[in-house]
Amino acid sequence: AQSVTQLGSHVSVSEGALVLLRCNYSSSVPPYLFWYVQYPNQGLQLLLKYTTGATLVKGINGFEAEFKKSETSFHLTKPSAHMSDAAEYFCAVSGLQGGSEKLVFGKGTKLTVNP
Amino acid sequence: DGGITQSPKYLFRKEGQNVTLSCEQNLNHDAMYWYRQDPGQGLRLIYYSQIVNDFQKGDIAEGYSVSREKKESFPLTVTSAQKNPTAFYLCASSIGGGTYEQYFGPGTRLTVT
Repeated sequence: AQSVTQLGSHVSVSEGALVLLRCNYSSSVPPYLFWYVQYPNQGLQLLLKYTTGATLVKGINGFEAEFKKSETSFHLTKPSAHMSDAAEYFCAVSGLQGGSEKLVFGKGTKLTVNP
Repeated sequence: DGGITQSPKYLFRKEGQNVTLSCEQNLNHDAMYWYRQDPGQGLRLIYYSQIVNDFQKGDIAEGYSVSREKKESFPLTVTSAQKNPTAFYLCASSIGGGTYEQYFGPGTRLTVT
C-alpha cells in the first residue's frame, strides 16, 4: 500500500528565505505525486504534480519539486518566501487500494512566513 | 466557470440528527470523493464514486452514507451513528482514478453539539 510522510508538521521561515517542505513516499509501483496548498477554511488547490518524465516539476506561485526515486522523496521548494505563501501544504501519492486508484495524503505541513 | 460547489459553508446540528452535505460539479468528471479533515490528521477518505450509481467505502465510512444518482452530484449524509461528526468536509472530483489530479470544493464545516 502507498503512504506519504511529511517531515515537520510546522515550518517557519522569514520572508525572502528559502522554503523547503519535505515529503517521502512509499509505493510498490511507479508513483504519481502531487503537492496541494490549503488556505484557512478553504479547499485544496493543486500546486504541481509529477507523473513521468522530467524529475524537476515546476508549479504555480514559484514552487517546484524534485522527484528522487533513490530517496523516495518529492520535496517542495521555493527560493524566496512571500507572506502570501503562509498556508498548509499537503503531499499526496496515487495508490491502488481495493482495486481502485486513489490519492493518499500526508498529514500536512503548516508554513508560517515571518516578516 | 467550471468547478465544484459545496453547500452550506457552515452547518450546525444537534446530536442525534442526520445531516446531508451537498456537492455538485460541472467539470464533467466521472470520479467524485468525500474527505474528512481534522486538525493534524490530514485528509481521510470517506467514500468515493468512479461512475454513476456506484460507490465504494473509503477508510472511514462508518456512520456515513452517499448516493450517486447523477454524474454531477455526490451528496454525503452524516448519520447519527457517526460518533464524532464535527469536522471539515471536503468534496473532490477527478477525470478518473488516482493518477489524475483531484479538484476540490471549498468545504463544509459541520459542528454537532
